[in-house]
Amino acid sequence: KQEVTQIPAALSVPEGENLVLNCSFTDSAIYNLQWFRQDPGKGLTSLLLIQSSQREQTSGRLNASLDKSSGRSTLYIAASQPGDSATYLCAVRPVDSGGYQKVTFGTGTKLQVIP
Amino acid sequence: DTGVSQDPRHKITKRGQNVTFRCDPISEHNRLYWYRQTLGQGPEFLTYFQNEAQLEKSRLLSDRFSAERPKGSFSTLEIQRTEQGDSAMYLCASSLYLTSGGNEQFFGPGTRLTVL
Repeated sequence: KQEVTQIPAALSVPEGENLVLNCSFTDSAIYNLQWFRQDPGKGLTSLLLIQSSQREQTSGRLNASLDKSSGRSTLYIAASQPGDSATYLCAVRPVDSGGYQKVTFGTGTKLQVIP
Repeated sequence: DTGVSQDPRHKITKRGQNVTFRCDPISEHNRLYWYRQTLGQGPEFLTYFQNEAQLEKSRLLSDRFSAERPKGSFSTLEIQRTEQGDSAMYLCASSLYLTSGGNEQFFGPGTRLTVL
C-alpha cells in the first residue's frame, strides 16, 4: 500500500526566505506526482505535475524535483511571499494497474510566511 | 470563469436527510473525479467518470452514496440518510485524459457538508 508522508507538518518562515517542502512515498512505481496548494476552506490549486520520466518541473518561483529511486519529491519555493501562505499537498499516482483509486495524497505541509 | 465549479459551497443538514451536490467540470475535460477531505487530512478518492461511464468506486463509497454523470458533462453526488460521519469537504476535479500522458487534475472549490 502506497504511503505518502509530508514533513514538516507546519512551517513558518520570514518573507523573502527560500524554502523546501518534502514529500516521501513508499512505492517507487509511480506514474506521476502532482503538487497542489490549498487555501483554508478552499479547493486545491494545481502547482506542478511531474511525470515519472521527468526529474523536475519549474513554474515561476516554484521548482519541483522527483527522485523515484529514493521515493522523494521536493517543492522549492524561492523568495517566499505572504501570499504563499497555504497548505501544500503532494499526490502520487501509481503505474496504471487497474485502479485509479490508488492515487494517494499526503496530509500536507501548512506554510506561513511572515511579513 | 472556465474552471471547475461546485454547488452549493456549503450545506448544513440534519442527520437522516438526503443531500445532493453538483459539479460542473472544465468543458473539454473527459474525466471527472469526486474526493472527500476531512479536517487535517489529504483528499481521499471516492469515484471517477470517463465521459458518462463510472469507471472506479472506492470502498469509501458506501451504498448510501451515488454519483452520476448522465451526459458526460456535469455530475451529481447524492448522499442518502446522512450521518454525522459524512461531515467533510467534498471536492470535485476534472482532467483531460490522454493516452499520451499528463492527466493533470483541476479542482473545484468544494462543497462543505455539515451534518447535525
